[in-house]
This record gives sequence, structure tokens and C-alpha cells, in this order.
Amino acid sequence: IAGITQAPTSQILAAGRRMTLRCTQDMRHNAMYWYRQDLGLGLRLIHYSNTAGTTGKGEVPDGYSVSRANTDDFPLTLASAVPSQTSVYFCASGTGGVGTDTQYFGPGTRLTVL
Amino acid sequence: ELKVEQNPLFLSMQEGKNYTIYCNYSTTSDRLYWYRQDPGKSLESLFVLLSNGAVKQEGRLMASLDTKARLSTLHITAAVHDLSATYFCAVDTGYALNFGKGTSLLVTP
Repeated sequence: IAGITQAPTSQILAAGRRMTLRCTQDMRHNAMYWYRQDLGLGLRLIHYSNTAGTTGKGEVPDGYSVSRANTDDFPLTLASAVPSQTSVYFCASGTGGVGTDTQYFGPGTRLTVL
Repeated sequence: ELKVEQNPLFLSMQEGKNYTIYCNYSTTSDRLYWYRQDPGKSLESLFVLLSNGAVKQEGRLMASLDTKARLSTLHITAAVHDLSATYFCAVDTGYALNFGKGTSLLVTP
């Protein structure tokens, strides 16, 4: 069981380019999340999805979009990358229900926008 | 807006010593999580605290939750070098987690 996989592991991207970060989980979790981690700021929620077919905006959604066509995949798209989107991006998943809702994190994607 | 504040943000401690990391949050929540992150790695779940007065222990780490005070603590007993990492607390917002900025812990000989 892989858990959560993210691709690519790292990427250098020119400003203005479009980029999709991929996230796949095999735990059949209903909920999935995208966070960005920046030094001194901790983790901030970009977008989330409580179940396939639904998405919601987090704390820092501007410049990002997501889709949730099925349970397993939750891609994050940067339509036109800017240098301030340089960050480490973590995808996470969880049961999304009442009770112990530990989120499990993927290995991360380190993105540099020049 | 839910705010989660950790202190200290940086902590250097000697092996064998005890210390406590504090996590304060600004709105009512009954669920609080602690994670560990090693440099360049992902986040690993340590504890899930689901009710007032909850206490969980794993090895040299013990976490507790006081929902009335909106405070969680992570207590380190007799620190060892392997505990060097960044520790995050996170509060359930109802749809996701709101993380503190993290406490970078360095345990030195």
C-alpha cells in the first residue's frame, strides 16, 4: 500500500507557465487536502475536498484550482505560476468524518517558480 | 478566524532534560493533532486528542488537551537526539486542519 503519492517530487518552473501537481491516494479516504508550507508560516490550506465531486477554498486559494473527479485523485493546478508560489506543496487525505480524523500526508512537491 | 499559536518556535535543549511545547488556539474545538516533521520530509502523525482532558503518551512524548483553556501541551521527558525535529499542532476547523507555525526542536549532547 503506497498511501499517498505526489508527483513530481520537485520542479523548477518559469513564471507564467501552467503546472499541475498530482496527488493520488489508495486508502479510499473521502477527504483530500492541499497545503503549502513556507518557512516561518507553517502549513496553510489551499483547497480541500470532502468527497468526490466537491471542493472548497482554504486560506490561500488564489492562483490555484483543484478538481475531484474520483476518490483517489486530487490534482492542484497553477494556471499561471508566479514567484510567490515557490513553496513545498503537501497533499493529505483523511476520512473526513466525525471521530479520529487524522490526516495522512504525501511526501511533498518542492516547486520553484523563477 | 481560527488562530493557532505555538511557543516556543525554536527550542534548543540538552539531552536528558525535560521541556514543554505549548499550543494555544482561539476558537472552540474538541480535536487537536500533533505532527512531527523531520528536515526535508513529510509530516508524521504523533497524537490525536479528541476531548477535554485527553492525554496520550508515546515514548518520551506526552500530549494533553484542555479545551476550556484552548490549550494543548507536548511534554518531552529526558530528551534524546532522535527527538530533534519540527513539531506542529493543528486544530480541527470542521473541514480541515489549521496548523501552528511549528516548534523547531534541537536536542544537543
